[in-house]
Amino acid sequence: QLVLTQSPSASASLGASVKLTCTLSSGHSSYAIAWHQQQPEKGPRYLMKLNSDGSHSKGDGIPDRFSGSSSGAERYLTISSLQSEDEADYYCQTWGTGIRMVFGGGTKLTVL
Amino acid sequence: QVTLRESGPALVKPTQTLTLTCTFSGFSLSTSGMCVSWIRQPPGKALEWLARIDWDDDKYYSTSLKTRLTISKDTSKNQVVLTMTNMDPVDTATYYCARIRVIVGATTLDYWGQGTLVTVSS
Repeated sequence: QLVLTQSPSASASLGASVKLTCTLSSGHSSYAIAWHQQQPEKGPRYLMKLNSDGSHSKGDGIPDRFSGSSSGAERYLTISSLQSEDEADYYCQTWGTGIRMVFGGGTKLTVL
Repeated sequence: QVTLRESGPALVKPTQTLTLTCTFSGFSLSTSGMCVSWIRQPPGKALEWLARIDWDDDKYYSTSLKTRLTISKDTSKNQVVLTMTNMDPVDTATYYCARIRVIVGATTLDYWGQGTLVTVSS
């Protein structure tokens, strides 16, 4: 069964970097995923699509501070030079059997 | 510029049918590779995919909700409509529509609406 696992929370200081992780379930390590950001009281925003080889393509207007990388079944979102507006929930998402969309449980990022 | 906006009732009673409309601009659902999905998020919980409709009118539904959902499109109005029957308080959530692009076999969800909160209560 295709499952995306994310840590419920993460924190980092203003100006620092943080690396969020999304883990694909066994047997699905070749899957591409997408990262989405949801700021408080707002709808989600597409950040990037991330392939298993670490190549990624970002959405319109996404700053260079956001980057993605991959290792095995893990997909990472790195945010550098953290700003207060980066405090948000971050969801990973992939595509299951056929066109079924699967989301991770989300990581709540706190900027200290 | 791609935008999507959800509209519908803020409050529905249990057992009623919910009808939501997604009005979009910046793309056409008659263009090959364009699709629209509905996704919901109960308060404080994660996102859940509900349904998708494609440019060629193919339709797909969440396995667990398939019997309650119907998705349709009006290409001339740039609208996608989702109906959900037999609403229950557990269906209380913010409902989002989103654009999906299928290009050379690669699928991307790249734009979201702002969402509409639907509360199910008597």
